[in-house]
Amino acid sequence: GQQVMQIPQYQHVQEGEDFTTYCNSSTTLSNIQWYKQRPGGHPVFLIQLVKSGEVKKQKRLTFQFGEAKKNSSLHITATQTTDVGTYFCAEVLQGAQKLVFGQGTRLTINP
Amino acid sequence: GAVVSQHPSWVICKSGTSVKIECRSLDFQATTMFWYRQFPKQSLMLMATSNEGSKATYEQGVEKDKFLINHASLTLSTLTVTSAHPEDSSFYICSAPELAGIDTQYFGPGTRLTVL
Repeated sequence: GQQVMQIPQYQHVQEGEDFTTYCNSSTTLSNIQWYKQRPGGHPVFLIQLVKSGEVKKQKRLTFQFGEAKKNSSLHITATQTTDVGTYFCAEVLQGAQKLVFGQGTRLTINP
Repeated sequence: GAVVSQHPSWVICKSGTSVKIECRSLDFQATTMFWYRQFPKQSLMLMATSNEGSKATYEQGVEKDKFLINHASLTLSTLTVTSAHPEDSSFYICSAPELAGIDTQYFGPGTRLTVL
């Protein structure tokens, strides 16, 4: 079935450093969503990207959707300890509202 | 945003018993809800789609007779893990789209099941 590959699996940074996680698909995505899951918590919706080449920003977070709609990235500028968690991309299966999640990138931060 | 609750938040049971997990949409109606399973340090895997008033749709490899899903109302879906075994121990999470045709989904807080 369809699968979204996400890298890296883990990322450890010093507080203040930047962080980026990438999602790639072999097929064209109708849209892609990003979620954050804190340790012990549940996924929380961050954003949805729909248009080719779309770039959206939420404060220190920048989300991009590739021109071919086969890849996406989440970039965090100047990480803070509150950014700790696992970030997932997810493909929304068109018409079914089902989510196919990437493997997630677990971000840990050294204060 | 919309709120989805789950009950219980955690449960410990003996092998061979059944466990029921409830998922409720608190301030909106959900004709469709989704059930996911997440093993430690892994991603979320969709188990099934719960449809109000009709049978659930199960993903490939998920045993429908083991994971019984009932969507009795527009605000409640239940997942029953029957004859639970230690390998069923996991974090079970439900989600619901707020409005039909809208892709944004709201996740419940999850239920951690431990089978002894």
